[in-house]
Amino acid sequence: SQQGEEDPQALSIQEGENATMNCSYKTSINNLQWYRQNSGRGLVHLILIRSNEREKHSGRLRVTLDTSKKSSSLLITASRAADTASYFCATDGPNTGNQFYFGTGTSLTVIP
Amino acid sequence: GAGVSQSPSNKVTEKGKDVELRCDPISGHTALYWYRQSLGQGLEFLIYFQGNSAPDKSGLPSDRFSAERTGGSVSTLTIQRTQQEDSAVYLCASSLDSLAKNIQYFGAGTRLSVL
Repeated sequence: SQQGEEDPQALSIQEGENATMNCSYKTSINNLQWYRQNSGRGLVHLILIRSNEREKHSGRLRVTLDTSKKSSSLLITASRAADTASYFCATDGPNTGNQFYFGTGTSLTVIP
Repeated sequence: GAGVSQSPSNKVTEKGKDVELRCDPISGHTALYWYRQSLGQGLEFLIYFQGNSAPDKSGLPSDRFSAERTGGSVSTLTIQRTQQEDSAVYLCASSLDSLAKNIQYFGAGTRLSVL
C-alpha cells in the first residue's frame, strides 16, 4: 500500500511553540499534499509539494520533502490555539491511478 | 455553490436499510471523489468520477456500495442493506482536474450511524 503514515499520532504543545509532524510513504510519488481537518469538518488543503521540490513555505507553514527517504515534514511556527486540528498527508504517484493516499493523521492540540 | 455541499450531515439508520448520501461539488469541477473515514482513521478511497469517463470503482468495499454522478455534477453514494461496520463519516471532494492532481476541496461529510 502507498498509504502514508504520520508521526506522531498525537502532539500537544503550548501556544507560541513550533509543531513538527512527519509523513512517510512507501512508493514513488508525483505530489505530496498536506491537509488540515478540524473536528467534525471536512479537510482543508494547506500546501502541495511536487516530487522535484525540496521545500515550500506558506505563511507559518514550512514543508520539506525528502524523496530518498520517502518522507515529508510539516512545520507550523508560532502555533496558535486555532491550529488545533488533525493534519493529514496525501500522496499521488505514477502508479496510483486516480487515487490519492491519505495517512492516518497527526492530532495536534495547541494549549492557550 | 461556494463550496462542496453534502447532505444529510447526519444519518442514523437501522441495520439492513438502504441509505443515499448526496454530494454537490463546486461548479465547474470535473473530478469528484468519495472517501470513508472511520473514527480516528485516515481517509479510505471509495470511488472517483472524472467528467464523462467511466468511474474508478476500485475502492468500493463491497457490492452493497454504488455511486452515480448525474450530468457531471451531483453525485449520490448508495449503501444497500447497511451493516454496523458501515458506520463512518463519508466525505466527498471535488477538484478542477484530477489528471493534473489538483488540490481537492472537501465537503463537511455525512456522519452515518448504523444501529
